[in-house]
Amino acid sequence: GESVGLHLPTLSVQEGDNSIINCAYSNSASDYFIWYKQESGKGPQFIIDIRSNMDKRQGQRVTVLLNKTVKHLSLQIAATQPGDSAVYFCAEGAGANNLFFGTGTRLTVIP
Amino acid sequence: GAVVSQHPSWVICKSGTSVKIECRSLDFQATTMFWYRQFPKQSLMLMATSNEGSKATYEQGVEKDKFLINHASLTLSTLTVTSAHPEDSSFYICSARDRSGDLTEAFFGQGTRLTVV
Repeated sequence: GESVGLHLPTLSVQEGDNSIINCAYSNSASDYFIWYKQESGKGPQFIIDIRSNMDKRQGQRVTVLLNKTVKHLSLQIAATQPGDSAVYFCAEGAGANNLFFGTGTRLTVIP
Repeated sequence: GAVVSQHPSWVICKSGTSVKIECRSLDFQATTMFWYRQFPKQSLMLMATSNEGSKATYEQGVEKDKFLINHASLTLSTLTVTSAHPEDSSFYICSARDRSGDLTEAFFGQGTRLTVV
């Protein structure tokens, strides 16, 4: 059957700096998007989501930006901390129930 | 990249029957596999963590007798939904971690749509 394979780009930032993780999606019909964080030895954790009728949403230290024109999604983490080191996945959904995950990004925070 | 295959992609079953979902790592060995459940337009909910050769660790609120998990080999984990009922209808997705690679990396199957009628 079909399967999903992921190749992980990496991002290294200094502690205290802001991080920006990007994601491109392909389905113009996608109407909601989610960012997940996965730490070593744990399953993905929900971070923040955004609906297609919005272009920005803020959470605690995180901001998600959505540009539907170019089908681009980004996650901004303010004042990055060592505990933010993890793999981050974006995912998109389009009316139907399935979520399609994008390429994950490994974030490494340098103390 | 590493590949995780989940089978079947979708299944329809009658109430009271059991359904088995397979999760295979095709080109790597996975010591740990994760099983998730997803309701419409919601985040994945981690159901259990499956370690090869040992009992699965279930998340709070997940009935271990209802959702049987077996991880008998380094490339295969199965989730069996026993005595399925309509409320078990959901999207189930597995992910696997490559034991030889960065333990941070996890690879996802494509999910299984279960409909209980």
